[in-house]
Amino acid sequence: EAGVAQSPRYKIIEKRQSVAFWCNPISGHATLYWYQQILGQGPKLLIQFQNNGVVDDSQLPKDRFSAERLKGVDSTLKIQPAKLEDSAVYLCASSAPRSNTGELFFGEGSRLTVL
Amino acid sequence: SQQGEEDPQALSIQEGENATMNCSYKTSINNLQWYRQNSGRGLVHLILIRSNEREKHSGRLRVTLDTSKKSSSLLITASRAADTASYFCALDTGRRALTFGSGTRLQVQP
Repeated sequence: EAGVAQSPRYKIIEKRQSVAFWCNPISGHATLYWYQQILGQGPKLLIQFQNNGVVDDSQLPKDRFSAERLKGVDSTLKIQPAKLEDSAVYLCASSAPRSNTGELFFGEGSRLTVL
Repeated sequence: SQQGEEDPQALSIQEGENATMNCSYKTSINNLQWYRQNSGRGLVHLILIRSNEREKHSGRLRVTLDTSKKSSSLLITASRAADTASYFCALDTGRRALTFGSGTRLQVQP
C-alpha cells in the first residue's frame, strides 16, 4: 500500500512570509497528525484530526499556524507569518481506525528553513 | 511531563556489538512504542509493548518494560551499519496522541 505522502520536501522562505504543507495519509486512515520536529529533538504534536474534525490542537500556535482536513482525507498545514523559530521538519502521520496498536505511519516530512 | 526521556543521548558502537538504549517516563501508560528515524527521513515503527507485558522480541530487537520503575529499554543485538539512526520511545497514555522523547542517536561503525 502507498505510504503517507507529503509535499514539498524542502522549503526555504524569509521570515514573515507564508508557507503551506500538504499531506495525503494512507487510504482508509481516519486519524491524521501533524508533528513539528526541531533539529535534535523528538517530534512534538501540533494537531490531531479524526476524519475532518479536530481532536487536539492544544499545542498549535494558533496566531500563526492553521490546519485543515477537508473531506477527511488530505490535510494542509499553513504558517503565516513565519518566524525564525519555525525552522523545523513538519511530519505528517496517520493511523488506522480502531487500531489496537496505535501505531503511527509517518511521511518523509517537509523541511522548512526560515531565513 | 508526558514524554519519555531517552538515555544515552548518543551512542557509538562497532558493528557486531549490542546497543542498549533506555527510556524513562513519569506518567501512566497503555503502551510504549519504539520508532527509528534515519537521517532526513520519517519515523518508522519498530515495536510496541503493552503495560501488562514485561518483555517482547522482534528479530534482533528486544524490548523490556518495568512499569514500577517507569522505564523501558531497547536492545539491538549484533548491530549493523544500517542500524545507524535515531531511536525514539513514544508513550501512549490513552489521553492524547503519542508523545515522543528526544531520542538516542546511534552510530554503528563498520
